[in-house]
Amino acid sequence: NAGVTQTPKFRVLKTGQSMTLLCAQDMNHEYMYWYRQDPGMGLRLIHYSVGEGTTAKGEVPDGYNVSRLKKQNFLLGLESAAPSQTSVYFCASRALPEPDEQFFGPGTRLTVL
Amino acid sequence: GQNIDQPTEMTATEGAIVQINCTYQTSGFNGLFWYQQHAGEAPTFLSYNVLDGLEEKGRFSSFLSRSKGYSYLLLKELQMKDSASYLCASMDSNYQLIWGAGTKLIIKP
Repeated sequence: NAGVTQTPKFRVLKTGQSMTLLCAQDMNHEYMYWYRQDPGMGLRLIHYSVGEGTTAKGEVPDGYNVSRLKKQNFLLGLESAAPSQTSVYFCASRALPEPDEQFFGPGTRLTVL
Repeated sequence: GQNIDQPTEMTATEGAIVQINCTYQTSGFNGLFWYQQHAGEAPTFLSYNVLDGLEEKGRFSSFLSRSKGYSYLLLKELQMKDSASYLCASMDSNYQLIWGAGTKLIIKP
C-alpha cells in the first residue's frame, strides 16, 4: 500500500497563476483533509471532506477550492495564487468518524513569487 | 477561543529523558494527540489520550490531565534519531484537530 500520496512535491508559481494539488489514498478512508504548514505556526485546516462528493471549509479556506469526486482522491485548487499562499501543503486521511489517527502525505512545497 | 501552547524548542542529551509539555483550550474535547515530524517530512502519529493518566508505548509515554487542560510527552533513553519536532493537537467537539506550533527537540551527543 502506498498510503497517502501527493503530487507534485514542489512547485513555483507566479502571482495570479492557478494550479491543482492532487492527494490520493489507497486505504479506503472516508475522511480527507488539506492543511497548510507555515513556520512558527501549527498546521491549519484549509478544507476537508467526510466522504465522496462532500467538502467543507476549515479554518483558512479563502483562496482555495476543493473537490472529492472519487473517494480515493481529494484535489486542492488555487485559482489565482498569491505570495501569502507560499507554504507547505499536507493532505491527510482518516478512517473513522470517532477519534482516530490521521495519516499524512509527504507534502507539497509551494512557492508563489 | 481555541489555543494550544507548547515550547518552541528544547535541547536534551543522548541517553537522557525529556518531557515536552502542552496546554490546550478547545471548544469541546475528544482527545489529545501527539505527532512526530522530522524536518522536511510528514507528521507521523505517536499517541492518543482521552482519559486522564499515563499511556506508555516503548520509550515514549504520554500523559493527560483533562481538568488542567494539560498533557506531556515523555521520551526516555533519547537517541539521535529522536531529533524532530513534536506536535500536540487537541480534537475539538467537531472531531477536528487544533494543532500547536510544535516543539523542536535537539539531541546533543
